[in-house]
Amino acid sequence: SAVISQKPSRDICQRGTSLTIQCQVDSQVTMMFWYRQQPGQSLTLIATANQGSEATYESGFVIDKFPISRPNLTFSTLTVSNMSPEDSSIYLCSVEDTGGGYTFGSGTRLTVV
Amino acid sequence: GESVGLHLPTLSVQEGDNSIINCAYSNSASDYFIWYKQESGKGPQFIIDIRSNMDKRQGQRVTVLLNKTVKHLSLQIAATQPGDSAVYFCAEKSSGTSYGKLTFGQGTILTVHP
Repeated sequence: SAVISQKPSRDICQRGTSLTIQCQVDSQVTMMFWYRQQPGQSLTLIATANQGSEATYESGFVIDKFPISRPNLTFSTLTVSNMSPEDSSIYLCSVEDTGGGYTFGSGTRLTVV
Repeated sequence: GESVGLHLPTLSVQEGDNSIINCAYSNSASDYFIWYKQESGKGPQFIIDIRSNMDKRQGQRVTVLLNKTVKHLSLQIAATQPGDSAVYFCAEKSSGTSYGKLTFGQGTILTVHP
């Protein structure tokens, strides 16, 4: 399965600022997925990032708040913009493995104060 | 809308016992299911998967059962160990999605007492 390097692993940010999270995959993948996991809850898909096209956002998530870049087939970034305490969550990237399963990064634990 | 839910939010077992974690799904078009284990401070780790053309699949100490009639999925862990303590999520993907969108259940906290 793919190996994903995600950073930062955690951060504490001031409200109103932005944080960019990076995910690097050790192999080329067509799609990368970004999830949010709010405290004590399950994972919710934010958007799907394809290389060379705009990301596809799920209901309740918008590009202005969560801009995504996908410059090549092994890398993607998610920015959490104009943060508020409600954005405190774990953010995870994921890719589909060749065998059909999905591998996740270790997550970025974001606390907004 | 689509949803994947769990019957039991928490489960406590003694070391050596067998554990069963349940999951209900509502999308009859779902054709692929995955169980994940998430330890504190880590991302979800793949445990086992099953496709809708199967009823049962076994791994090392784990078995997944799929009942499509009642749209129910379960994860059985044999001889549960303290290292199995974690949050367990089921996830499903439907054949109707053109990309690999996973829908996750709410999670079950498994605590194994020595």
